[in-house]
Amino acid sequence: GAGVSQTPSNKVTEKGKYVELRCDPISGHTALYWYRQSLGQGPEFLIYFQGTGAADDSGLPNDRFFAVRPEGSVSTLKIQRTERGDSAVYLCASSSTSGKGIQYFGPGTRLLVL
Amino acid sequence: SQQGEEDPQALSIQEGENATMNCSYKTSINNLQWYRQNSGRGLVHLILIRSNEREKHSGRLRVTLDTSKKSSSLLITASRAADTASYFCATDAEAAGNKLTFGGGTRVLVKP
Repeated sequence: GAGVSQTPSNKVTEKGKYVELRCDPISGHTALYWYRQSLGQGPEFLIYFQGTGAADDSGLPNDRFFAVRPEGSVSTLKIQRTERGDSAVYLCASSSTSGKGIQYFGPGTRLLVL
Repeated sequence: SQQGEEDPQALSIQEGENATMNCSYKTSINNLQWYRQNSGRGLVHLILIRSNEREKHSGRLRVTLDTSKKSSSLLITASRAADTASYFCATDAEAAGNKLTFGGGTRVLVKP
């Protein structure tokens, strides 16, 4: 079956622009997570959805970052007024309620802010 | 913020040798998992060990967990060139909900 997919694979934008990153989780997975990974470091948690609602958004660095999951499936991470420090790989993961804590990751979106 | 440290940060071995890497964490956990990442992209789940377990095996992988020392180790036996990747430990804790907290990773190079 299909895994987690993310689009675009790569995104280059200019400082100050708005970007949207999309995640399509594994069908039937109710939980969806966004992480951000800087070069040479481990992923850092951003936000977690259970169904349509954000159950934990404590990892969002500031109010320029926002994420939605309106129908409980696809999620979009939105970044306003991008800054060079936002450059990173943005990873999405999903899990099932019976998945015993295992998260399945997408290939990530590499964002470069010039 | 990262949960803890992984040691070593980088490891270079010959094909056929064993690779051992360690992970330390700071808070009480429910589970500890190991993931592999190739070329800085998606992570692949390798193995999960629960806080009440001490050792687990999966194929060529052996994971230990010492909750008194807040540490875990991952052993890859008879390594292959295809094992070249970065390896991350990740914990989830009841107090932190379902999110994973990752270590900084160990970069493993297996030379043919």
